[in-house]
Amino acid sequence: EDKVVQSPLSLVVHEGDTVTLNCSYEVTNFRSLLWYKQEKKAPTFLFMLTSSGIEKKSGRLSSILDKKELFSILNITATQTGDSAIYLCAASNYGGSQGNLIFGKGTKLSVKP
Amino acid sequence: NAGVTQTPKFQVLKTGQSMTLQCAQDMNHNSMYWYRQDPGMGLRLIYYSASEGTTDKGEVPNGYNVSRLNKREFSLRLESAAPSQTSVYFCASSEIRTDTQYFGPGTRLTVL
Repeated sequence: EDKVVQSPLSLVVHEGDTVTLNCSYEVTNFRSLLWYKQEKKAPTFLFMLTSSGIEKKSGRLSSILDKKELFSILNITATQTGDSAIYLCAASNYGGSQGNLIFGKGTKLSVKP
Repeated sequence: NAGVTQTPKFQVLKTGQSMTLQCAQDMNHNSMYWYRQDPGMGLRLIYYSASEGTTDKGEVPNGYNVSRLNKREFSLRLESAAPSQTSVYFCASSEIRTDTQYFGPGTRLTVL
């Protein structure tokens, strides 16, 4: 059965800290790995990774995929209270229904002032 | 561009009542999805529509039906609500042959 596992499930840090969120996957015919940020409402798209070893970066957030070891990490540097959210990781696969994503349970990040 | 919109935002039902959750997107996407999100369970796919005129079951379809009314709209119906269907429901859409899905704001449903 395909699965995506995120760790830790929750994390509390102080402003200015750097955090690393983990996502491992076991997905048949893996195609891509996506990260979303969920605040109070809808998940919003952060990154999609398809190639191993290529870092995607947006401001203080960055992510990388390791297709050999089947995991991805999301780094957030110089955290701010606005980074407090649930971060969701999802994987897609070839051969399954087009566009379907398998989600992990999320990591709840709390950033204290 | 409103993106993906959902109505209603909140709903309380009694066991056995029926209701339809509405979803519309203005991004001209071919594919649309319905998920439910429960505490500690992540997002689970209920039904999806790869393109107008087609619908397929996801991971947790029991107790739900869907209708792809046209390219813009995809509705989710609960025929006889049960307390186990208390959840937050998200609609999403994507371009054909891409993985990035865009989500609506969600509907919080409580079944008493």
